[in-house]
Amino acid sequence: AQKITQTQPGMFVQEKEAVTLDCTYDTSDPSYGLFWYKQPSSGEMIFLIYQGSYDQQNATEGRYSLNFQKARKSANLVISASQLGDSAMYFCAMRDNTNAGKSTFGDGTTLTVKP
Amino acid sequence: DAGVIQSPRHEVTEMGQEVTLRCKPISGHNSLFWYRQTMMRGLELLIYFNNNVPIDDSGMPEDRFSAKMPNASFSTLKIQPSEPRDSAVYFCASTMPDRDSNEQFFGPGTRLTVL
Repeated sequence: AQKITQTQPGMFVQEKEAVTLDCTYDTSDPSYGLFWYKQPSSGEMIFLIYQGSYDQQNATEGRYSLNFQKARKSANLVISASQLGDSAMYFCAMRDNTNAGKSTFGDGTTLTVKP
Repeated sequence: DAGVIQSPRHEVTEMGQEVTLRCKPISGHNSLFWYRQTMMRGLELLIYFNNNVPIDDSGMPEDRFSAKMPNASFSTLKIQPSEPRDSAVYFCASTMPDRDSNEQFFGPGTRLTVL
Protein backbone atom coordinates (compact mmCIF):
# COMPACT_ATOMS: atom_id res chain seq x y z
CA ALA A 1 0.00 0.00 0.00
CA GLN A 2 1.13 3.52 -0.71
CA LYS A 3 1.47 6.12 2.03
CA ILE A 4 2.20 9.84 2.03
CA THR A 5 3.36 11.68 5.14
CA GLN A 6 3.35 15.43 5.57
CA THR A 7 4.70 16.18 9.02
CA GLN A 8 4.12 19.94 9.05
CA PRO A 9 0.50 20.81 9.81
CA GLY A 10 1.31 24.51 9.52
CA MET A 11 4.14 26.64 8.26
CA PHE A 12 4.87 30.37 8.26
CA VAL A 13 7.14 32.23 5.85
CA GLN A 14 7.97 35.87 5.33
CA GLU A 15 6.97 37.36 2.01
CA LYS A 16 9.73 37.10 -0.63
CA GLU A 17 11.53 34.32 1.25
CA ALA A 18 11.75 30.69 0.19
CA VAL A 19 9.98 27.88 2.02
CA THR A 20 10.20 24.09 1.92
CA LEU A 21 7.20 21.88 2.54
CA ASP A 22 8.10 18.34 3.50
CA CYS A 23 6.70 15.16 2.01
CA THR A 24 7.85 11.58 2.51
CA TYR A 25 6.32 8.57 0.86
CA ASP A 26 6.31 4.83 1.09
CA THR A 27 5.68 2.40 -1.71
CA SER A 28 6.94 -0.92 -2.97
CA ASP A 29 6.17 -0.03 -6.58
CA PRO A 30 9.16 0.67 -8.84
CA SER A 31 7.17 3.17 -10.89
CA TYR A 32 5.16 6.00 -9.41
CA GLY A 33 4.44 9.68 -9.81
CA LEU A 34 4.59 12.41 -7.20
CA PHE A 35 2.39 15.51 -7.35
CA TRP A 36 1.79 18.66 -5.36
CA TYR A 37 -1.54 20.44 -5.25
CA LYS A 38 -2.51 23.80 -3.78
CA GLN A 39 -5.86 24.43 -2.14
CA PRO A 40 -6.51 28.11 -1.39
CA SER A 41 -9.22 29.22 0.99
CA SER A 42 -11.66 29.31 -1.91
CA GLY A 43 -11.50 25.52 -1.92
CA GLU A 44 -10.43 24.49 -5.40
CA MET A 45 -7.59 21.98 -5.86
CA ILE A 46 -4.89 23.27 -8.18
CA PHE A 47 -2.14 21.08 -9.64
CA LEU A 48 1.32 22.57 -9.15
CA ILE A 49 4.08 20.17 -10.13
CA TYR A 50 4.85 16.57 -11.06
CA GLN A 51 7.91 14.33 -10.54
CA GLY A 52 8.26 10.87 -12.04
CA SER A 53 10.06 8.16 -10.12
CA TYR A 54 12.50 7.63 -13.00
CA ASP A 55 13.17 11.29 -13.65
CA GLN A 56 16.84 12.13 -13.19
CA GLN A 57 16.32 15.83 -12.64
CA ASN A 58 14.20 17.63 -10.09
CA ALA A 59 11.02 19.11 -11.53
CA THR A 60 10.58 22.87 -11.71
CA GLU A 61 7.56 25.01 -12.60
CA GLY A 62 8.15 28.70 -12.24
CA ARG A 63 8.64 29.47 -8.53
CA TYR A 64 7.92 25.85 -7.60
CA SER A 65 10.54 23.15 -7.53
CA LEU A 66 10.47 19.64 -6.20
CA ASN A 67 13.44 18.37 -4.22
CA PHE A 68 13.28 14.68 -5.08
CA GLN A 69 15.48 12.35 -3.03
CA LYS A 70 14.56 8.86 -4.10
CA ALA A 71 16.77 7.00 -1.65
CA ARG A 72 15.22 8.91 1.23
CA LYS A 73 11.75 8.63 -0.30
CA SER A 74 11.17 12.34 0.00
CA ALA A 75 9.60 14.82 -2.41
CA ASN A 76 9.73 18.22 -0.79
CA LEU A 77 8.14 21.25 -2.42
CA VAL A 78 10.21 24.41 -2.52
CA ILE A 79 8.47 27.72 -3.14
CA SER A 80 10.84 30.54 -3.92
CA ALA A 81 10.11 34.26 -3.43
CA SER A 82 6.89 33.63 -1.49
CA GLN A 83 3.91 35.81 -2.24
CA LEU A 84 0.84 36.56 -0.15
CA GLY A 85 -1.21 34.58 -2.66
CA ASP A 86 0.79 31.46 -1.80
CA SER A 87 -1.07 31.22 1.51
CA ALA A 88 -3.02 27.99 1.16
CA MET A 89 -3.13 24.31 2.04
CA TYR A 90 -0.63 22.20 0.10
CA PHE A 91 -1.09 18.50 -0.55
CA CYS A 92 1.51 15.99 -1.62
CA ALA A 93 0.18 13.01 -3.56
CA MET A 94 1.55 9.82 -5.05
CA ARG A 95 0.03 8.16 -8.07
CA ASP A 96 -0.09 4.43 -8.52
CA ASN A 97 0.85 4.02 -12.16
CA THR A 98 -0.79 0.62 -12.38
CA ASN A 99 -4.14 1.53 -10.88
CA ALA A 100 -6.18 3.73 -13.22
CA GLY A 101 -4.48 6.90 -12.05
CA LYS A 102 -5.45 6.51 -8.42
CA SER A 103 -3.53 8.83 -6.10
CA THR A 104 -2.86 8.74 -2.38
CA PHE A 105 -2.87 12.15 -0.67
CA GLY A 106 -1.11 13.39 2.45
CA ASP A 107 -2.87 15.29 5.22
CA GLY A 108 -1.68 18.63 3.88
CA THR A 109 0.36 21.57 5.15
CA THR A 110 -1.18 24.97 5.73
CA LEU A 111 1.21 27.68 4.57
CA THR A 112 0.80 31.25 5.75
CA VAL A 113 2.82 33.98 4.07
CA LYS A 114 3.41 37.00 6.29
CA PRO A 115 3.72 40.50 4.79
CA ASP B 1 -12.56 22.55 -22.06
CA ALA B 2 -14.73 23.60 -19.13
CA GLY B 3 -12.92 21.37 -16.68
CA VAL B 4 -14.64 18.98 -14.29
CA ILE B 5 -18.17 20.17 -13.58
CA GLN B 6 -19.97 19.46 -10.35
CA SER B 7 -23.49 20.28 -9.29
CA PRO B 8 -24.88 21.55 -7.10
CA ARG B 9 -22.12 23.75 -5.67
CA HIS B 10 -23.92 23.99 -2.35
CA GLU B 11 -26.56 21.74 -0.87
CA VAL B 12 -28.35 22.16 2.43
CA THR B 13 -30.70 19.40 3.43
CA GLU B 14 -32.30 17.88 6.47
CA MET B 15 -31.33 14.65 8.09
CA GLY B 16 -33.01 11.68 6.45
CA GLN B 17 -33.32 13.26 3.03
CA GLU B 18 -31.78 11.82 -0.10
CA VAL B 19 -28.91 13.78 -1.62
CA THR B 20 -27.55 13.36 -5.14
CA LEU B 21 -24.30 14.94 -6.21
CA ARG B 22 -23.41 15.11 -9.89
CA CYS B 23 -20.18 15.18 -11.83
CA LYS B 24 -19.21 15.62 -15.45
CA PRO B 25 -15.56 14.68 -16.05
CA ILE B 26 -13.32 16.26 -18.64
CA SER B 27 -14.05 14.88 -22.07
CA GLY B 28 -11.71 12.02 -22.90
CA HIS B 29 -10.76 11.28 -19.30
CA ASN B 30 -11.63 7.70 -18.50
CA SER B 31 -10.86 7.58 -14.78
CA LEU B 32 -13.13 9.34 -12.30
CA PHE B 33 -12.71 9.73 -8.55
CA TRP B 34 -15.03 10.83 -5.74
CA TYR B 35 -13.44 12.36 -2.63
CA ARG B 36 -14.79 13.72 0.62
CA GLN B 37 -12.98 16.45 2.57
CA THR B 38 -13.57 17.37 6.20
CA MET B 39 -11.48 19.12 8.80
CA MET B 40 -11.40 16.03 10.97
CA ARG B 41 -10.61 13.39 8.35
CA GLY B 42 -8.91 15.36 5.61
CA LEU B 43 -9.26 14.25 1.99
CA GLU B 44 -10.70 10.75 1.65
CA LEU B 45 -11.08 8.73 -1.55
CA LEU B 46 -14.56 7.25 -1.59
CA ILE B 47 -14.73 5.40 -4.91
CA TYR B 48 -13.21 5.49 -8.36
CA PHE B 49 -14.18 4.33 -11.82
CA ASN B 50 -12.23 3.40 -14.90
CA ASN B 51 -14.04 3.21 -18.24
CA ASN B 52 -17.31 3.62 -16.31
CA VAL B 53 -16.65 0.54 -14.17
CA PRO B 54 -16.24 0.90 -10.39
CA ILE B 55 -12.74 -0.26 -9.50
CA ASP B 56 -12.59 0.25 -5.76
CA ASP B 57 -15.38 1.37 -3.44
CA SER B 58 -13.66 0.45 -0.21
CA GLY B 59 -13.63 4.10 0.84
CA MET B 60 -17.41 4.40 0.81
CA PRO B 61 -18.29 4.90 4.46
CA GLU B 62 -21.43 2.78 4.58
CA ASP B 63 -24.34 1.43 2.61
CA ARG B 64 -26.07 4.79 2.68
CA PHE B 65 -23.57 5.89 0.04
CA SER B 66 -23.77 4.74 -3.55
CA ALA B 67 -22.17 5.90 -6.79
CA LYS B 68 -22.87 5.26 -10.43
CA MET B 69 -21.30 6.10 -13.74
CA PRO B 70 -23.84 5.29 -16.44
CA ASN B 71 -21.68 6.75 -19.22
CA ALA B 72 -18.33 8.36 -19.83
CA SER B 73 -19.60 11.88 -19.24
CA PHE B 74 -21.64 11.58 -16.07
CA SER B 75 -21.40 10.23 -12.54
CA THR B 76 -23.53 10.53 -9.43
CA LEU B 77 -22.87 10.09 -5.73
CA LYS B 78 -26.00 9.44 -3.71
CA ILE B 79 -26.50 9.52 0.04
CA GLN B 80 -29.73 8.01 1.32
CA PRO B 81 -30.65 8.73 4.04
CA SER B 82 -28.33 11.63 4.82
CA GLU B 83 -27.00 12.32 8.31
CA PRO B 84 -25.37 15.40 9.87
CA ARG B 85 -21.97 13.63 9.92
CA ASP B 86 -22.11 13.50 6.12
CA SER B 87 -21.59 17.27 6.03
CA ALA B 88 -18.43 17.85 4.01
CA VAL B 89 -17.08 19.07 0.71
CA TYR B 90 -17.35 16.39 -1.95
CA PHE B 91 -14.92 16.57 -4.85
CA CYS B 92 -15.01 14.80 -8.16
CA ALA B 93 -11.78 14.44 -10.13
CA SER B 94 -10.86 12.91 -13.46
CA THR B 95 -7.71 11.90 -15.28
CA MET B 96 -6.32 9.99 -18.20
CA PRO B 97 -4.31 7.10 -16.74
CA ASP B 98 -2.35 6.43 -19.91
CA ARG B 99 0.51 8.76 -19.00
CA ASP B 100 2.31 8.66 -15.67
CA SER B 101 2.54 12.43 -15.56
CA ASN B 102 -1.18 13.03 -15.93
CA GLU B 103 -2.49 14.79 -12.89
CA GLN B 104 -6.00 14.54 -11.54
CA PHE B 105 -8.21 17.48 -12.43
CA PHE B 106 -10.56 18.41 -9.64
CA GLY B 107 -13.99 19.92 -9.86
CA PRO B 108 -14.93 22.89 -7.69
CA GLY B 109 -16.59 20.63 -5.12
CA THR B 110 -20.05 20.40 -3.61
CA ARG B 111 -20.39 21.75 -0.09
CA LEU B 112 -22.99 19.58 1.63
CA THR B 113 -24.63 20.58 4.89
CA VAL B 114 -26.98 18.14 6.55
CA LEU B 115 -29.02 19.70 9.35
